[in-house]
Amino acid sequence: QITLKESGPTLVKPTQTLTLTCTFSGFSLDTSGVSVAWIRQPPGKALDWLSLIYWNDEKRYSTSLKSRLTITKDTSKNQVVLTMTNMEPVDTGTYYCAYSPSEWGGSSGWYVRWGQGILVTVSS
Amino acid sequence: DIVVTQSPESLAVSLGETATINCKSSQSVWYSNNNKNYLAWYQQKAGQPPSLLIYWASTRESGVPDRFSGSGSGTDFTLTISSLQAEDVAVYYCQQYFDSRQFSFGQGTKLEIK
Repeated sequence: QITLKESGPTLVKPTQTLTLTCTFSGFSLDTSGVSVAWIRQPPGKALDWLSLIYWNDEKRYSTSLKSRLTITKDTSKNQVVLTMTNMEPVDTGTYYCAYSPSEWGGSSGWYVRWGQGILVTVSS
Repeated sequence: DIVVTQSPESLAVSLGETATINCKSSQSVWYSNNNKNYLAWYQQKAGQPPSLLIYWASTRESGVPDRFSGSGSGTDFTLTISSLQAEDVAVYYCQQYFDSRQFSFGQGTKLEIK
């Protein structure tokens, strides 16, 4: 059974750096084709794709947020970490991590499992 | 970047009737080498994370009722929910995964019961 869980601060101040951790089980980020992504959702608004990391440590970032994001993985701990610098009130929302399986030995791109999300509020 | 646009923003459909949600991408998400459309659909119920319904534009995820079907190719896609049930009230999103540099979601369509 694949599970993911997000953890980190629920309240950050403007200009601070947010560090979120996704701890997962039921799969290995060493497996060819697998990836984990971060997706956020402002209150009452749409899903916003942020970043992903592949099994081979390749990384992708939202072009609009690339300068503020860093994604890393610790395979031994089954964790993926996202940092976002210079947080602003508009960054308030629920942050999800999600798992994308391999397909035909390569990457699929769709998300079959999601964590429950963590609500992050940016306020002074 | 590929922009994905959904329509309508919201719709209300009677129980037992058919709901149709559209998704349009700013460029084709069809890959000729494998004849696949790189588009997925998700359902998000209130207070829950999204749940995968369909991938490759028309392949239902395991366990998804066959009332849910996806169609389309290139830039224009449709999610059809037939025999609408009360439990189908949710927000529905499409997602393109064609552009491997950056994936993207539509803005969502809210489905309610009339």
